[in-house]
Amino acid sequence: DAMVIQNPRYQVTQFGKPVTLSCSQTLNHNVMYWYQQKSSQAPKLLFHYYDKDFNNEADTPDNFQSRRPNTSFCFLDIRSPGLGDAAMYLCATSREILSSYNEQFFGPGTRLTVL
Amino acid sequence: RKEVEQDPGPFNVPEGATVAFNCTYSNSASQSFFWYRQDCRKEPKLLMSVYSSGNEDGRFTAQLNRASQYISLLIRDSKLSDSATYLCVVIDSGYSTLTFGKGTMLLVSP
Repeated sequence: DAMVIQNPRYQVTQFGKPVTLSCSQTLNHNVMYWYQQKSSQAPKLLFHYYDKDFNNEADTPDNFQSRRPNTSFCFLDIRSPGLGDAAMYLCATSREILSSYNEQFFGPGTRLTVL
Repeated sequence: RKEVEQDPGPFNVPEGATVAFNCTYSNSASQSFFWYRQDCRKEPKLLMSVYSSGNEDGRFTAQLNRASQYISLLIRDSKLSDSATYLCVVIDSGYSTLTFGKGTMLLVSP
């Protein structure tokens, strides 16, 4: 059974048109993460929530926003997508702060295309 | 700056070969270390954690050298299904997030 679900799996948007990517989890984990992964590159952390506490990475552009209305759901909003924002967006969860004993679970990703 | 560096790929090996991946990390205070596997156009999945004493899981052996800030992954008797990108991942002390290397692609051929 899917534990971290991302919708849609493929998203096409137009340059400058706002888009929202969705992530939900059935694990009741405290922490949710959003990563951006471009072709042949490492996943890059954009931000994460510990419960309702939002933690933004210093180099995440303002164009990227996130919402976590409840434990199960987390959204990634891209306010004005540019061609450079085309990537795979990965949602992940962990029960608590990461450690050797606390695994991070990834969703299948949403592949965003910007036309 | 947090950095994790890996061997450039791809590694092309025949079935049955032994292959080793290397990884170095820049932050000496890093606490936890992992290897993840990522199939083409799929999400990363945890392959194994890496412990100071070294650890083995079937055909896979991971080693950590804290003094050299070096992590390795050895795959013995390669299978076609081992073809994937292998990501070296680190948790830094004081951070609650993963830092990924760019990954090394492995292609196992018949």
